[in-house]
Amino acid sequence: EPEVTQTPSHQVTQMGQEVILRCVPISNHLYFYWYRQILGQKVEFLVSFYNNEISEKSEIFDDQFSVERPDGSNFTLKIRSTKLEDSAMYFCASRYKFMNTEAFFGQGTRLTVV
Amino acid sequence: GQQVMQIPQYQHVQEGEDFTTYCNSSTTLSNIQWYKQRPGGHPVFLIQLVKSGEVKKQKRLTFQFGEAKKNSSLHITATQTTDVGTYFCAGQRPGTSYDKVIFGPGTSLSVIP
Repeated sequence: EPEVTQTPSHQVTQMGQEVILRCVPISNHLYFYWYRQILGQKVEFLVSFYNNEISEKSEIFDDQFSVERPDGSNFTLKIRSTKLEDSAMYFCASRYKFMNTEAFFGQGTRLTVV
Repeated sequence: GQQVMQIPQYQHVQEGEDFTTYCNSSTTLSNIQWYKQRPGGHPVFLIQLVKSGEVKKQKRLTFQFGEAKKNSSLHITATQTTDVGTYFCAGQRPGTSYDKVIFGPGTSLSVIP
């Protein structure tokens, strides 16, 4: 069964450092997402991406965040200068087409900022 | 802003007992989705409800969307240990992007064998 893959599974970084979280969405999917889940809390939408541009973003997705699809397969989330409160599980998700109901989530990257 | 609430926050049941989680929105929703997240896992889509009063079933799971499209429920009949996890509802407000769903805080279900 096709799946969304994320690397690394766990990233530890020092406050102020840049991190890049990587995702490989399902190959024929067109819509890509990043979500965040602080430990024990709810899943929060960060950003959606379609046709090589951001289609929606939340209040959390400020200037410190950026996304990129550098080639035909990878989808990345960059945090320029990490803060302690950025520590969370970051999930990538993809969907085949708009209004297709099912978003497939990756296993997540646990980001720990120290 | 829009709030999506869920109750209860935690539920412990004996295996074989029924379980229900309730999702309530402060505003009318276009649709509501339900996800399940196993401990240490990632959210997995279960179902989407669109119509007022809609009821859908998946084996032992029954999903309902309220008449006013502001609340929803998930009922599990005769729970099994495989039902353990956190159940999230996620709602879309009319006029907003389909992508920008708001997740509820989740109900964490424990099943005692």
